[in-house]
Amino acid sequence: EPEVTQTPSHQVTQMGQEVILRCVPISNHLYFYWYRQILGQKVEFLVSFYNNEISEKSEIFDDQFSVERPDGSNFTLKIRSTKLEDSAMYFCASSDWADTQYFGPGTRLTVL
Amino acid sequence: RKEVEQDPGPFNVPEGATVAFNCTYSNSASQSFFWYRQDCRKEPKLLMSVYSSGNEDGRFTAQLNRASQYISLLIRDSKLSDSATYLCVPSSGNTPLVFGKGTRLSVIA
Repeated sequence: EPEVTQTPSHQVTQMGQEVILRCVPISNHLYFYWYRQILGQKVEFLVSFYNNEISEKSEIFDDQFSVERPDGSNFTLKIRSTKLEDSAMYFCASSDWADTQYFGPGTRLTVL
Repeated sequence: RKEVEQDPGPFNVPEGATVAFNCTYSNSASQSFFWYRQDCRKEPKLLMSVYSSGNEDGRFTAQLNRASQYISLLIRDSKLSDSATYLCVPSSGNTPLVFGKGTRLSVIA
């Protein structure tokens, strides 16, 4: 069964460093999303991407964040200068026309 | 008003029990509904999609009442592996999902 994959599973970085989180959505899906979940809190929407552009973003998704689909398979989230409060699980999700979103296993980001 | 309201639990039930979770939602324009389950430090996994009045899949039954803006999930014959947080998520097409904190279920041997 097709699934969303994410790498790395765990990323440790120093405050102020740039990180890139990678996702491979399900191959025939057209809509892509990033969510994050701080430990013990709800899953929160960050950004959605369709037709090679951002379709919606939340207040969390400020200028420190960017997304890219550099080729036909990868979807990346970049955090330019990480802060301690960026420590969270980051989930990528994708959907086709039927609007059901499937989530990847997540990347745990730890900012020291 | 919160988009979704669920009893946070925890619901502690013995193996084999039947347990039901309720969820009320505020956006009457929601067209579809999803139940996800989430294990600790894992991703939300789709359990069931609901587009009409309800859906059934094995031991799991979801029922939707659009007039009352209420959706339920019933789990029959609970298993230890059902222990997780259950998230009710309304949707309006390919738009961002808004998650609540969900309902925690603990199935005890």
